[in-house]
Amino acid sequence: SQLAEENPWALSVHEGESVTVNCSYKTSITALQWYRQKSGEGPAQLILIRSNEREKRNGRLRATLDTSSQSSSLSITATRCEDTAVYFCVDTNAYKVIFGKGTHLHVLP
Amino acid sequence: GGIITQTPKFLIGQEGQKLTLKCQQNFNHDTMYWYRQDSGKGLRLIYYSITENDLQKGDLSEGYDASREKKSSFSLTVTSAQKNEMAVFLCASSPGFQDTQYFGPGTRLLVL
Repeated sequence: SQLAEENPWALSVHEGESVTVNCSYKTSITALQWYRQKSGEGPAQLILIRSNEREKRNGRLRATLDTSSQSSSLSITATRCEDTAVYFCVDTNAYKVIFGKGTHLHVLP
Repeated sequence: GGIITQTPKFLIGQEGQKLTLKCQQNFNHDTMYWYRQDSGKGLRLIYYSITENDLQKGDLSEGYDASREKKSSFSLTVTSAQKNEMAVFLCASSPGFQDTQYFGPGTRLLVL
C-alpha cells in the first residue's frame, strides 16, 4: 500500500519559472524525505524535513510540512533544464519504506 | 563521501534462468536495500537488510532471494527470470533504516 503520494503526475515549466510539487501522506511521521531521480540514474535525496519542522531550504529548493493536513510541498525557484527529473516524497515513519510514482517535471528551455 | 557500485550494469537473461545482481557500498552503512523500478513507475522494495546477517522482505519479495554476505555487500537473485521482463534494479544503503538512502546507478535487466 502506498503511504505517500505526489501530485501532479507530470508538469512542465520554462526555465527560470518556479514550480511546486505536492505530497500527501497517510501516517504520522517522524520525517519526510524528498528525492529526485534523473534519467538513467538512481534517486538522490534533496531534503529531509522532520515532523517538528515547518520549512527547510536547500539552495533553490524549499520544502514545507503541514502535519495537520498530512501534506508537504517542494518548491523549486529559478528552474533550470537540469532540474528535469522525477520527484518523490518518502514517508520515513513507516516500517516499510515506500516510494510513490513520483511527479515527472520537465523544464523547457 | 562514499559510493555504491552495482554489477553488472546490464543483464540479459533467458526465461527460467537464475540471475544474480551484486551491490557494494563503502559508506560503512548498516542498512542496505534492493528496489525494482519498472518503466515510468515508482520504486518497489524487494528486500532490505538492517544490519549484517539480517534479511527482511519487502512488498515484492516473491520470486527473489537476497543475501547480505558482509556489511558492505548485498546480493539479489532472480530465482526464475520471466520472459519479456524488463526493469531496473536499484540498490541503496543508509546509516539506519529511516535515514537518507544513497542509491547506486542500477542494473538494467532484460529477459528474452
